[in-house]
Amino acid sequence: AQSVAQPEDQVNVAEGNPLTVKCTYSVSGNPYLFWYVQYPNRGLQFLLKYITGDNLVKGSYGFEAEFNKSQTSFHLKKPSALVSDSALYFCAVRDQAGTALIFGKGTTLSVSS
Amino acid sequence: DTAVSQTPKYLVTQMGNDKSIKCEQNLGHDTMYWYKQDSKKFLKIMFSYNNKELIINETVPNRFSPKSPDKAHLNLHINSLELGDSAVYFCASSQVALSGREQYFGPGTRLTVT
Repeated sequence: AQSVAQPEDQVNVAEGNPLTVKCTYSVSGNPYLFWYVQYPNRGLQFLLKYITGDNLVKGSYGFEAEFNKSQTSFHLKKPSALVSDSALYFCAVRDQAGTALIFGKGTTLSVSS
Repeated sequence: DTAVSQTPKYLVTQMGNDKSIKCEQNLGHDTMYWYKQDSKKFLKIMFSYNNKELIINETVPNRFSPKSPDKAHLNLHINSLELGDSAVYFCASSQVALSGREQYFGPGTRLTVT
């Protein structure tokens, strides 16, 4: 069965520092991986995805993610964090039926000024 | 224009009542979904509809029933509401026919059962 794990409940970084939010996955077949962000009292916004191709994927708001097949990881990164990046981040994998998303438990990112 | 919209945004009701949440997407997508986010922020798929056919039905109580009058709408009906149904419900849509397409989410409906 497809699954993703986000090992950190919370990540704290100072503004201007690089940030990493971790995600590991377990899938049958090729992984279709996604990152979403949820701001307080808002819906989920799509950040980026990995389907195939380059292992470094660039997305919205300066975020990128590195797909590592040997480590079964898909970590979200940003070179310089902003206070406005503070939110709840979800990693997700497409299910085996190829339709719905299976989400990790989420990681709260807190960026301090 | 809002891509995926839901109404109402907030819904407060008593146990035993029947309620509906509406969802509409104007993206021309062929598949729509309902997700439930519980108080711990866990997100789980409930249903999805593709071309008016239910293609996923996770282990949710049969008190929950999705209704899709057309490709642009997927409503969620909930009968005999229980305290445990309190959660945020998100509607989403995607173009499944195009492999790997991301899903677009609505703003959510916060359901509180008292």
